[in-house]
Amino acid sequence: TQLLEQSPQFLSIQEGENLTVYCNSSSVFSSLQWYRQEPGEGPVLLVTVVTGGEVKKLKRLTFQFGDARKDSSLHITAAQPGDTGLYLCAGPRGSNYKLTFGKGTLLTVNP
Amino acid sequence: EAEVAQSPRYKITEKSQAVAFWCDPISGHATLYWYRQILGQGPELLVQFQDESVVDDSQLPKDRFSAERLKGVDSTLKIQPAELGDSAMYLCASSLWLAGGTDTQYFGPGTRLTVL
Repeated sequence: TQLLEQSPQFLSIQEGENLTVYCNSSSVFSSLQWYRQEPGEGPVLLVTVVTGGEVKKLKRLTFQFGDARKDSSLHITAAQPGDTGLYLCAGPRGSNYKLTFGKGTLLTVNP
Repeated sequence: EAEVAQSPRYKITEKSQAVAFWCDPISGHATLYWYRQILGQGPELLVQFQDESVVDDSQLPKDRFSAERLKGVDSTLKIQPAELGDSAMYLCASSLWLAGGTDTQYFGPGTRLTVL
C-alpha cells in the first residue's frame, strides 16, 4: 500500500494551459515536500509546506497543504515546456523522519 | 554552488557480478542517504547515515547490499551479487543534520544501473 498517492500518474498538456496535481494520504504528516525530477537527474526540492491550510507560491507554481495535513496539491499556471518533469511529493515518517515518496506525476508540456 | 557528486553515472553489469557506487556529499553535511528508484516509482530509502553511523537500514537487502561511510564523509554502496531486479537508479542525498521534518535533502544525479 502506497502511503502517499499521487494523481494523475501521467499528464500531457499544451503550453499555456493550467494544471493541478494531487498528493493524498490517509495519514497525517508534519510536513510535505514537493520535488521536480528531470530525466537522468536527481530530484530537486521545490517547496516544503508545514502548516495545515498553508499556501505557498513559487512564480507560476502554487502549493497548498490540506487543513488536516493529509493532502497537498500543486497548481501550475500557464505551463511551459521547461515545467516538464516528474513531480514527486514526500513526507517524513518515523522517529528518524525518513522521507517517504509518492510515485510521482509525469508531466509533459508540449510547445 | 555545492553539489552532491556520484559516480559512475551509468553502470551495466551482468547478474552475479559485484558493483559499487560512490557518493561525495555536500561539504559539512552530516547526514547521507542512499535511495533506490525503480522506473515509474518514487525513491525508496535504502540506508541513512549520521556521520559514520547507520541510522536506518531497515529497507536494505543485507544479504547482497552493503553500505559504508568510514570517515563520515563520502560513502560507497555495494551490491554483490547483482540480480536482474536490481536494475534501477541509485540516488545519493545529503542534508545538514538528521531530518526534523523540514530539513532539505540535496540529491546527486544518480547512478543508472542495468543488470543483464
